[in-house]
This record gives sequence, C-alpha cells and structure tokens, in this order.
Amino acid sequence: QSVLTQPPSVSAAPGQKVTISCSGSSSNIGNDYVSWYQQLPGTAPKLLIYDTDKRPSGIPDRFSGSKSGTSATLGITGLQTGDEADYYCGTWDSSLNTVVFGGGSKLTVL
Amino acid sequence: QLQLQESGPGLVKPSETLSLTCTVSGGSISSSSYYWGWIRQPPGKGLEWIGSIYYSGTTSYNPSLKSRVTISVDTSKNQFSLKLSSVTAADTAMYYCARHVARIEVNWFDPWGQGTLVTVSS
Repeated sequence: QSVLTQPPSVSAAPGQKVTISCSGSSSNIGNDYVSWYQQLPGTAPKLLIYDTDKRPSGIPDRFSGSKSGTSATLGITGLQTGDEADYYCGTWDSSLNTVVFGGGSKLTVL
Repeated sequence: QLQLQESGPGLVKPSETLSLTCTVSGGSISSSSYYWGWIRQPPGKGLEWIGSIYYSGTTSYNPSLKSRVTISVDTSKNQFSLKLSSVTAADTAMYYCARHVARIEVNWFDPWGQGTLVTVSS
C-alpha cells in the first residue's frame, strides 16, 4: 500500500484530455514539490514533470502538472496511443524520511 | 548526454548479498549538484526508492531497507554501487539507477538507467 494514492487505471479516447490524481498528506505533497514519471511498457521510467509543474526539455506541453493542498494532478491533453503507459507520482515524505511514490496509474487510450 | 547503465548478477541465492554497479557516462559523478540513487520495481508492482549517495560519500537510505543496504561511490571510475544483504524472494525486482536531484522540498530522478532484473532464487 503506497503512501501516495493514485487511481489504478484511467482511460480516454484519442485527442481527449485525461487527469491523473495523486493524493498524499501534509508530510509529503503538502510540504514538497511533486514529480511525475511515465513508464512505457517494458522500459524504464522517464521524468515527465518536476518541481510540481515544470517540464524537462523535450517533454511536450501536452503534459502538465499542478498541486492543491495535499493532492497533485497530472494532465495530458491531445491523447495519443503512444501515451499508453504507467504514470507514477513521487515526492519526499518528511515523517517517513524517505522518497515515496504513488502506486501507479495505467493509462489506456481507447 | 548523460547515461547510466546498471550491471551485476541476474540471479542471487536467498540469504546472500545482491551487488550491483551503475556506470555513469556523458557526465561526472562528482558534480556538486546531484545525488545518485537506486530505485527498484518488483514485477508488476510500483517503484520503491532504495537510497542515494553524494559524490563525497554522504548517503540517504529508505528506512525500511536501511539495515540491509550499503551504497558506495567510486569517483575514479564514475560508478556507484548497491549492496543489499540477506536477500529473500521479496527482493526480486528490476533495479534502476538514476541521477537524483535532492534539495530542500525537491526530489526527482532523471535520467534513469535501463534497469537490470535481479531474481532471488536457489
């Protein structure tokens, strides 16, 4: 059971928008920046969003991040079949003194 | 660009020590801005941070694994290593190394190595 809670699965049609939530507490998301990772099937995770809402070079602006209180959200617009992947949120937990990740959300583009 | 590559045995016997090395290329492990971390992912499950090390040797470990984990760095070889002792089947996982940005309120990993699968079995 992960410290950060994500929906196990989300789905949407090509071209549509989807959001993936990541719920935590005051000792993690409420106090620290959040990162998001995309893991395509059979590959290593790839940084998608850092510092809650910043995109690394090369990540299209279809991907966005935000935070409100103790929850963070990853948004993906203009969905493509190539976006089908597992998505993970991550941050530091000051009570546990460890990096924590969400359990992951599997995105299906119908 | 910066690349990381894990190496080590793919099969470890129960109760023995798992040893992996991460070789960094395209940049110096001695950069003052970064830690270097290990993350694992059991088959079909989520990500778990194991620990990270600074080039000076300063370490930070996941408390749940701390008693069994040692991470070390060899700046002359641009490598850092993981040792996990007394392994059980629960330690079977894909092990990734990654550059770790760790500052106050900030933690993220980029880039990641391709990962290496370690199976614990007799």
